[in-house]
Order: sequence, then structure tokens, then C-alpha cells
Amino acid sequence: NAGVMQNPRHLVRRRGQEARLRCSPMKGHSHVYWYRQLPEEGLKFMVYLQKENIIDESGMPKERFSAEFPKEGPSILRIQQVVRGDSAAYFCASSGDDGGSGNTIYFGEGSWLTVV
Amino acid sequence: KQEVTQIPAALSVPEGENLVLNCSFTDSAIYNLQWFRQDPGKGLTSLLLIQSSQREQTSGRLNASLDKSSGRSTLYIAASQPGDSATYLCAVTLYGGKLTFGTGTRLTIIP
Repeated sequence: NAGVMQNPRHLVRRRGQEARLRCSPMKGHSHVYWYRQLPEEGLKFMVYLQKENIIDESGMPKERFSAEFPKEGPSILRIQQVVRGDSAAYFCASSGDDGGSGNTIYFGEGSWLTVV
Repeated sequence: KQEVTQIPAALSVPEGENLVLNCSFTDSAIYNLQWFRQDPGKGLTSLLLIQSSQREQTSGRLNASLDKSSGRSTLYIAASQPGDSATYLCAVTLYGGKLTFGTGTRLTIIP
């Protein structure tokens, strides 16, 4: 899973600031997924993107959260006006052309957001 | 709505013992089931993936089984070692990379 690169690994933000988390999928992968792991909770699906398209955002909070996967560059998960409840580990995963149905998807090491 | 449950939440066993981790899911319409390992402060490492048409998969000391009709999977770890200490997560795939995770079993192997 070292092929999925996330940065920053750790991020501290004050309440009201913006957090931007970046994810570069494995080489050759065009499907990106974001998951959130709240303290003492399981991982929850947030959003599924392909290049320039949001395929499924059913797990995204309705406000303050957005995601993109531009034609060039990494996928970005953006959290505006962060609150303490946004403190969590955010994991990115990627899969190949089959969308992951037939093969494992690969997770990054995560970005740990702390809101103070 | 798919729900995944893992029991027990935590388990401690002496080194060398064989052990079984359990996972159950409510909706049998899955593409596959995966077992992951997560070390503290780290990402997820995929251990085994079982396609919906398969009954089990093996990798080294690990064996995972899948009974779709009853909504159950088990992860068997043989001859446990201290390096096996980690949190083990079970996840079912609804489509593509959209996984529903259990809350995990925190395993401690006592030297």
C-alpha cells in the first residue's frame, strides 16, 4: 500500500481554518476513494471519484466538505471551517480500471487531522 | 443498509496459540470480503480477499473463510506471534472500492 501517497501525514488546524488533504493514487489507478476513521469508530466511506468526476458522495457530510480529482495532480479532500468533531484519520484508497470489484484496493497511510 | 460486526472487540492470547476472529454482515449481496490489518497510527494492509463465489483463501499462517448465505466470515491465525498484534478489520465490498467496515478486533499476542 506504499503506492498510495497521502500528505500531510499529520495536520493541526484551529477551529474555523481550512484543511486540505492530498492523495496520489497508485500508478495506473484511476479510481480514488476517501474514508474517515473517527476515534474509536470504524472506517466510513466518504466519496468515490474518478478523474474529473464524483461518482458517489453518499458518505460526505452535506456542508463544509468537498472532494476533487482533477485531470492532472492529486485528489484533494477539502474541509472548510473545521470543528473539533472533524478530528480524525482520513484515508485515501485507489483501485485499477475494474473499480476494485475483482481486486484489492490499496490504502494510503492516512492523514491525521487534529482540530484545536 | 449493510452492517458489519466483529466479535470480539479485543482479544489477548499467548504466543503460539491458534485463534479465530469473527465477522458477520447483514446483506449477502456483496462482491467480496476482505480482511485488513491496521497497526497503530498506520494505514491498512490487505491480508486476504475472498470473492463472493469463493469459500476461503489462505496466505501463510492466515486462512479466511466466507459463508455468504449466513453472512459470516472467519479469519484463522495459526501459531500466533507477537508481530501479529494489531487491529484486524473485516470489510465487505458493495461495489468497486466502496467498502463497509467492521469496527475491528484489537489483537494482542502475549510473548
